[in-house]
Amino acid sequence: DAKTTQPNSMESNEEEPVHLPCNHSTISGTDYIHWYRQLPSQGPEYVIHGLTSNVNNRMASLAIAEDRKSSTLILHRATLRDAAVYYCILRDVETSYDKVIFGPGTSLSVIP
Amino acid sequence: NAGVTQTPKFQVLKTGQSMTLQCAQDMNHEYMSWYRQDPGMGLRLIHYSVGAGITDQGEVPNGYNVSRSTTEDFPLRLLSAAPSQTSVYFCASSYRPSGRETQYFGPGTRLLVL
Repeated sequence: DAKTTQPNSMESNEEEPVHLPCNHSTISGTDYIHWYRQLPSQGPEYVIHGLTSNVNNRMASLAIAEDRKSSTLILHRATLRDAAVYYCILRDVETSYDKVIFGPGTSLSVIP
Repeated sequence: NAGVTQTPKFQVLKTGQSMTLQCAQDMNHEYMSWYRQDPGMGLRLIHYSVGAGITDQGEVPNGYNVSRSTTEDFPLRLLSAAPSQTSVYFCASSYRPSGRETQYFGPGTRLLVL
């Protein structure tokens, strides 16, 4: 099953951009790249997802490498509220979620 | 919309006791699932359902039962609680089990088994 690899932790200064990397070298052509984040003591919440093209929404941007073997979640101006664990996962376009693997994610600290 | 709701928020059980964790969604989603999260780890899938009357096992199903009699509700039953089941449990739902869809998570139930 396709898996993702993320750094365990990252730090950022408040109001600066943050680039969170994710490697997924065994991604298949039908896998969507999803990002979720989990604030302390809360359930995960959706951030962004994409298939091949870069995506933007009000929360973040997703940059996908041309060969799709890696991607980067971009927070344009980090705030203290962005301190969370960020998960990069792959979801097939049609298969059920039983094959989805949520790893330990990247713990992002934001320094005031 | 209330989204995905879970009750209780916190529960203490003694070894051998049984209980049901409740999960409900009001978004008419077909797909619902249960995860557990142990300290410092990601989420592991326990059971999932692709519609009313249809359930299947995930990665760590032992010691848990589920049923799906309605689209809205997906309860998780612990048959005989063990200390190894101390964890935080999250319920999630999405319209379909597809990579095109967003998954919505509940706030979690923290379970302590003594």
